[in-house]
Amino acid sequence: GESVGLHLPTLSVQEGDNSIINCAYSNSASDYFIWYKQESGKGPQFIIDIRSNMDKRQGQRVTVLLNKTVKHLSLQIAATQPGDSAVYFCAETRGGTSYGKLTFGQGTILTVHP
Amino acid sequence: NAGVTQTPKFQVLKTGQSMTLQCAQDMNHEYMSWYRQDPGMGLRLIHYSVGAGITDQGEVPNGYNVSRSTTEDFPLRLLSAAPSQTSVYFCASSADRPYSNQPQHFGDGTRLSIL
Repeated sequence: GESVGLHLPTLSVQEGDNSIINCAYSNSASDYFIWYKQESGKGPQFIIDIRSNMDKRQGQRVTVLLNKTVKHLSLQIAATQPGDSAVYFCAETRGGTSYGKLTFGQGTILTVHP
Repeated sequence: NAGVTQTPKFQVLKTGQSMTLQCAQDMNHEYMSWYRQDPGMGLRLIHYSVGAGITDQGEVPNGYNVSRSTTEDFPLRLLSAAPSQTSVYFCASSADRPYSNQPQHFGDGTRLSIL
């Protein structure tokens, strides 16, 4: 069946290190992916997105990589800071639907130690 | 800017009670949606709306009703609360469909407990 999931539920890093958060999807029809950050007591916050016609997209300190061959998505955070500590979700949707309903993964908890 | 405002932030209900979770946005967004978030799980879509007067079901609509009489407001109603509806509820809005690169803006959630 279709699903979006994460390989690692928790990730602990030292301040200044680079972080990599992974996500797998099983539906080859998925063609649009989004990463969200959720801080404690808050709603998800958009970080970056990527379409299936791209392999890589960069933002400020973040990079998303898409490997369609193995249906794998990753979020790289450069020079991780304590303020990056949060739960990170990937979400996917598919074009051609009337709304583009998002399917979320279960989330990865990122903890950054000073 | 207020963005997406959800009220109340916390609520405790008894089984069988009804209540309405409020959601309001001040960005003139056409698209609004309700999600629930359970421990260890990602957000799941309950209902959504593509404009005033238009609503549709998401992934887990049973036990919930919605209406969209104005662009700004999208209330979620629990007609007869059940313990399985204990969850954190998030409302989101966007200028266009999620597929269209228009990011969804989320409220800070309503934490609902059903006893």
